[in-house]
Amino acid sequence: DVKVTQSSRYLVKRTGEKVFLECVQDMDHENMFWYRQDPGLGLRLIYFSYDVKMKEKGDIPEGYSVSREKKERFSLILESASTNQTSMYLCASSDNRGGLPQGTYEQYFGPGTRLTVT
Amino acid sequence: AQRVTQPEKLLSVFKGAPVELKCNYSYSGSPELFWYVQYSRQRLQLLLRHISRESIKGFTADLNKGETSFHLKKPFAQEEDSAMYYCALSARGGYQKVTFGTGTKLQVIP
Repeated sequence: DVKVTQSSRYLVKRTGEKVFLECVQDMDHENMFWYRQDPGLGLRLIYFSYDVKMKEKGDIPEGYSVSREKKERFSLILESASTNQTSMYLCASSDNRGGLPQGTYEQYFGPGTRLTVT
Repeated sequence: AQRVTQPEKLLSVFKGAPVELKCNYSYSGSPELFWYVQYSRQRLQLLLRHISRESIKGFTADLNKGETSFHLKKPFAQEEDSAMYYCALSARGGYQKVTFGTGTKLQVIP
């Protein structure tokens, strides 16, 4: 059973603080993702990583950075938190082995971190 | 560019009535389509995907390349189907970047 865990369920930070959101998966997945989920906007991809130390910008990378030093861990960093970054943050992972075409694999999601920036 | 459109924010149906959640996409290459579901207080999870051609919990979805649609259907809605549904698209053969729609909340009325 795939497990994707996120370090916090709820987080409250002040404007200007540096914020770290941690995500760990235990299934040796190659790909990891960070999304934010907002009502009416759905899920929007912030960054993804397809290998250790590799990262790609998603659709809304501004104000965020990521780090993937180990295969199982993918961190999202808000360098200077702002109120418009108040949101639910979802981490996900997916495999890319198993004989299926790339792009067809299921994503496994963590429970989410609800971040409030005041 | 990849785009997924779910035109309905909320869909309310009576128990036992048919359900159709609409999803249209825009992508110039070969798409792979998914439906994800989020039940109350649970994490987002895969419901079904085009490549598997399977029916899950009575739901089916057919990829119509001519109409660029991947609508989710179920003949008889059940109360436990109430949830948030997201349609998603990725590029077959490419990286696993997935674009999600804005979601449709399905409310099944007893």
